[in-house]
Amino acid sequence: GAVVSQHPSRVICKSGTSVKIECRSLDFQATTMFWYRQFPKQSLMLMATSNEGSKATYEQGVEKDKFLINHASLTLSTLTVTSAHPEDSSFYICSARDRGTTGYTFGSGTRLTVV
Amino acid sequence: KQEVTQIPAALSVPEGENLVLNCSFTDSAIYNLQWFRQDPGKGLTSLLLIQSSQREQTSGRLNASLDKSSGRSTLYIAASQPGDSATYLCAVRWTGNQFYFGTGTSLTVIP
Repeated sequence: GAVVSQHPSRVICKSGTSVKIECRSLDFQATTMFWYRQFPKQSLMLMATSNEGSKATYEQGVEKDKFLINHASLTLSTLTVTSAHPEDSSFYICSARDRGTTGYTFGSGTRLTVV
Repeated sequence: KQEVTQIPAALSVPEGENLVLNCSFTDSAIYNLQWFRQDPGKGLTSLLLIQSSQREQTSGRLNASLDKSSGRSTLYIAASQPGDSATYLCAVRWTGNQFYFGTGTSLTVIP
């Protein structure tokens, strides 16, 4: 079946540094990538949607200059958390829409802790 | 406003029991509904996907039902096992591509 590889699975970084999270579709082309985050005790919330080769669309309340999304190819999308702060500590997960089947596959998630 | 609610937030059962997890949604005009499993610190595993036109889906010991008119879905787990312990998430898609997730039910199966 379709697989989305997400790395790293967990990362601890110092406040003020940047962290890049990568999602790669291994056996299909992802026309659209969705990025979600989940704070403790809360549900997964959509942060942004990106189409290959286009600028990402951000949900209300999500800072586009802080969460940089790149979707330069049909198999790779990255989310960079710039100048991370402790309040950015969360679980981040991507979901890729398959160009061929239009199905959705989720990555395994990244646990970010900013200290 | 499109919202997904899951009750209960936590559930603890002895091994071997059958159990039901509940999911309710505010707008009956859904595209599909999906149940996921999330293990601590890990990603999502898709369990069952029910399309709008379907009433239920089954996979092994799992059975998911959908009643659009009442805005409800249930996930039935038969003969529960300790390995079933996890958080179960219900997610609904309406007209767009976005999944709307519930807050999940944390299940503990006691050996």
